[in-house]
Amino acid sequence: QKEVEQNSGPLSVPEGAIASLNCTYSDRGSQSFFWYRQYSGKSPELIMSIYSNGDKEDGRFTAQLNKASQYVSLLIRDSQPSDSATYLCAVNWGYGQNFVFGPGTRLSVLP
Amino acid sequence: DAGITQSPRHKVTETGTPVTLRCHQTENHRYMYWYRQDPGHGLRLIHYSYGVKDTDKGEVSDGYSVSRSKTEDFLLTLESATSSQTSVYFCAISEGKETQYFGPGTRLLVL
Repeated sequence: QKEVEQNSGPLSVPEGAIASLNCTYSDRGSQSFFWYRQYSGKSPELIMSIYSNGDKEDGRFTAQLNKASQYVSLLIRDSQPSDSATYLCAVNWGYGQNFVFGPGTRLSVLP
Repeated sequence: DAGITQSPRHKVTETGTPVTLRCHQTENHRYMYWYRQDPGHGLRLIHYSYGVKDTDKGEVSDGYSVSRSKTEDFLLTLESATSSQTSVYFCAISEGKETQYFGPGTRLLVL
């Protein structure tokens, strides 16, 4: 069974610091990886996708993928209180049941 | 949420009554999904569709049925609602193995 794991948190960081969110997955056959942000009471929204090993940067966000270690992370630089949300990691081994979400990590950025 | 709507957005019903939730997309994406989200469980896949009249079960399909008679509409039916089906329901769409995009969600309370 394909599984995606994340620390549930809460992860608390001061404003302006770097927040580091981690995700591990169970199956090496994974094809693509996604980070979603979900504010309380709202639907998940896509932050970044990453498909190959290494780093991918988009503004203050950097996704890092290491397929050999089955590990994907999200770094948020210069964290802002508006970044306080739950971050969901998703791994795609295909469609349907092969698109699996982790339980999410709750991030709190303290002013 | 652009291109995906869910109706109703909120519903209160009684145990034993049938309930139908509707997801409508304007993106012409092939794949559509129904998830439920509960505290401590993250997003769990109920059913998904890979084309008109083509559907399959997800992780938590018991007590739910779906139908897709048109590309743009995916219906989720609770044949006889139970209190354990109180949840937030999200519809999502994707084009193949790519990113899933989520609707705004439906909050269902079964009394």
